[in-house]
Amino acid sequence: DSGVTQTPKHLITATGQRVTLRCSPRSGDLSVYWYQQSLDQGLQFLIQYYNGEERAKGNILERFSAQQFPDLHSELNLSSLELGDSALYFCASSGSRTGQEYYEQYFGPGTRLTVT
Amino acid sequence: KNQVEQSPQSLIILEGKNCTLQCNYTVSPFSNLRWYKQDTGRGPVSLTIMTFSENTKSNGRYTATLDADTKQSSLHITASQLSDSASYICVVSPRAGGTSYGKLTFGQGTILTVHP
Repeated sequence: DSGVTQTPKHLITATGQRVTLRCSPRSGDLSVYWYQQSLDQGLQFLIQYYNGEERAKGNILERFSAQQFPDLHSELNLSSLELGDSALYFCASSGSRTGQEYYEQYFGPGTRLTVT
Repeated sequence: KNQVEQSPQSLIILEGKNCTLQCNYTVSPFSNLRWYKQDTGRGPVSLTIMTFSENTKSNGRYTATLDADTKQSSLHITASQLSDSASYICVVSPRAGGTSYGKLTFGQGTILTVHP
């Protein structure tokens, strides 16, 4: 158990809908990262938050957005869903306090999103 | 474009045998290289992290090597066990700073299957 929790575990929704994925980082970790893993692709970095502020952006679509709250949990919002958004979405957290990405990232169990 | 290439794509070995997985990367400047193990449907779990100044690191039966000059890394697994069946992912982190912070670049992974 990495100490990172994600809810829900599974989500099935229809095209055009909007969903929210939730992540609680390990106790004390300030950074939260979101990743997407499609069936035929490796992990793709989406976005990172550090202590409530956006720190880095990856290949995140404009239909997707995220935020990190004062209690450090994070939510990833996916809207106008398309079939191609079906994937595993992972959250990871790290204890980086100086901005060094050397710090270990601990991954949650993931949320499996199926868009029908 | 920063890339991480892994080989082979998949590998089948018998329990008790050794194997070596390869990773070539073009990420520059380079901060550290990580190997993760990912069981099907689960979040990745870190095996090793090496900075550019390290050339080998072990974690039990897993030994990673790094040649920063040739931009190559390998993961050697000794005395394989059935539980080693998983995807092994090579991940390269750019040097901290600027827009590259947090943007880990993931390889596609090598799927290892250990048969009894």
